[in-house]
Amino acid sequence: GAGVSQSPSNKVTEKGKDVELRCDPISGHTALYWYRQSLGQGLEFLIYFQGNSAPDKSGLPSDRFSAERTGGSVSTLTIQRTQQEDSAVYLCASSLEPGTDGYTFGSGTRLTVV
Amino acid sequence: LAKTTQPISMDSYEGQEVNITCSHNNIATNDYITWYQQFPSQGPRFIIQGYKTKVTNEVASLFIPADRKSSTLSLPRVSLSDTAVYYCLVGVLYTGTASKLTFGTGTRLQVTL
Repeated sequence: GAGVSQSPSNKVTEKGKDVELRCDPISGHTALYWYRQSLGQGLEFLIYFQGNSAPDKSGLPSDRFSAERTGGSVSTLTIQRTQQEDSAVYLCASSLEPGTDGYTFGSGTRLTVV
Repeated sequence: LAKTTQPISMDSYEGQEVNITCSHNNIATNDYITWYQQFPSQGPRFIIQGYKTKVTNEVASLFIPADRKSSTLSLPRVSLSDTAVYYCLVGVLYTGTASKLTFGTGTRLQVTL
């Protein structure tokens, strides 16, 4: 597609429920990144995919967080047993190669845990 | 990973030139310097990238001194629509095993009439 697409754009969930966030990167982009942005804060790295593999998962805050990528394209970020501190905007970015060259970000999914 | 330090906020009047300086004392040989712009409720948008000296595009200029321990993003004649948060990042070149970029808290630029 023309840009990075994320869905849903907004998600309100009850504490303790599981949620899945989806990212459709730009077609042909091999690198995919998930970041989290809490209110008024900078971006916190979560995980990086090169193709379908995740060489860097160092940013996942707990074992409740997991992510996968299939077919070198779509990625899903799953948060199990959500907590209120998980409330944030979850941003996905993709690029042609891993590194710094022109990440393209999606508009994010705003997750609110009540 | 090289950490970056930027001013938390800046104010400017429309039509002025704005310079935002970022410190990155621990920048590594393979690191590029990249700046992003973020509007509310949107993901960050790539503005400009450089390795050393000066880079200019249709949006901004990036000045990098010889020691590369800092960089300055220059926005000519800002308008109200340039009100946003600006992030300075340093990150590795593509090596095949490259890792993530680290975003700081950014500089919140407020442009007024």
